[in-house]
Amino acid sequence: QQQVKQSPQSLIVQKGGIPIINCAYENTAFDYFPWYQQFPGKGPALLIAIRPDVSEKKEGRFTISFNKSAKQFSLHIMDSQPGDSATYFCAASIVTGNQFYFGTGTSLTVIP
Amino acid sequence: ETGVTQSPTHLIKTRGQQVTLRCSSQSGHNTVSWYQQALGQGPQFIFQYYREEENGRGNFPPRFSGLQFPNYSSELNVNALELDDSALYLCASGRGGSTDTQYFGPGTRLTVL
Repeated sequence: QQQVKQSPQSLIVQKGGIPIINCAYENTAFDYFPWYQQFPGKGPALLIAIRPDVSEKKEGRFTISFNKSAKQFSLHIMDSQPGDSATYFCAASIVTGNQFYFGTGTSLTVIP
Repeated sequence: ETGVTQSPTHLIKTRGQQVTLRCSSQSGHNTVSWYQQALGQGPQFIFQYYREEENGRGNFPPRFSGLQFPNYSSELNVNALELDDSALYLCASGRGGSTDTQYFGPGTRLTVL
């Protein structure tokens, strides 16, 4: 059973566009929601994370929107650049737990 | 850079063999978690070590085993390799078992022929 569902599977945007990646979860005990960026052959790098007590968090060009009642969260990338082309994973965990549950990933391509 | 290192970078083994992968934690971290990432998939939790004891295990068979050493570095051992074990193996180190302190290493790419 997939604990975290992610969409879309792939996304192509023009440079300067705002790609949006969506995730949904079922377990209401989750209290930590990170987003990771992964380049081919590399490990996932933490981009930004949010706790359920806030509805939005911004760090640079990356914004997480969080809807606790809908059990959904999304990543927005402002002014996207070709260097943002990568695979993005959402994840969820219980902070005092021992594991992350990952989405299936979104392959983002930003066209110059 | 996260300060989490893994070795080797790449490894090729044949079916039935055994393999050991290594992970060095970021300074100040005392937990290590291991994940398997098949091509085109998200990482799947194998197990976590905290204070040299296994602290939770995902849906992986016993032929996946591990160790954590007093310096908090860790090994992942896989016996009787199968073709489906081909994947990127990731470790993540953290503090006190809290997931919000965990950072991933670069991974070891294992190919089983």
